[in-house]
Amino acid sequence: AQTVTQSQPEMSVQEAETVTLSCTYDTSESDYYLFWYKQPPSRQMILVIRQEAYKQQNATENRFSVNFQKAAKSFSLKISDSQLGDAAMYFCAYRNYGGSQGNLIFGKGTKLSVKP
Amino acid sequence: SAVISQKPSRDICQRGTSLTIQCQVDSQVTMMFWYRQQPGQSLTLIATANQGSEATYESGFVIDKFPISRPNLTFSTLTVSNMSPEDSSIYLCSVGDRGRGYTFGSGTRLTVV
Repeated sequence: AQTVTQSQPEMSVQEAETVTLSCTYDTSESDYYLFWYKQPPSRQMILVIRQEAYKQQNATENRFSVNFQKAAKSFSLKISDSQLGDAAMYFCAYRNYGGSQGNLIFGKGTKLSVKP
Repeated sequence: SAVISQKPSRDICQRGTSLTIQCQVDSQVTMMFWYRQQPGQSLTLIATANQGSEATYESGFVIDKFPISRPNLTFSTLTVSNMSPEDSSIYLCSVGDRGRGYTFGSGTRLTVV
């Protein structure tokens, strides 16, 4: 069974600085998707970024980028120029690649605080 | 991306009663997923709901406790039955978005007293 591990329960960053959130996963599959979701206090789950395992290029969305290391099964999220609105729980998630839309497997989350 | 309307957003219920949570999607989707998020925890999949068939439940979740309805391709309900304080959680529905990601409802915060 696939597992997702986030080893940092909490992280803190100064406004305008850069922070990296860690995620590792375990799977025997060669094709899969990886995601980072943000959950602010409103509890709405917001997709931050996604990565297809067959793509070597790291995904980037504005201030958010990932470092995808397939061999190491690592998928870290870098947030540049941190803003107060980035404060939230961040969940790393995995999904098998395939025709049917399978469910997501989540890590335990990292609580990010942004200091003004 | 699909848009999901989830109701109610929150409720406080007496133990022993039941609550039905609804999710309405603005487009037709094959699979809908129901998750539970206990206080301070991550999301755990309860079941996968396909239209026209019985829902598939994950280990630790049973149909008698969490019956699911999926009458059409845009709607699903999750009922939390015979509630106890341990059922106090956030419940979220989700749909796949053609591989681009997954869209979630806004969640239902349930408190059982």
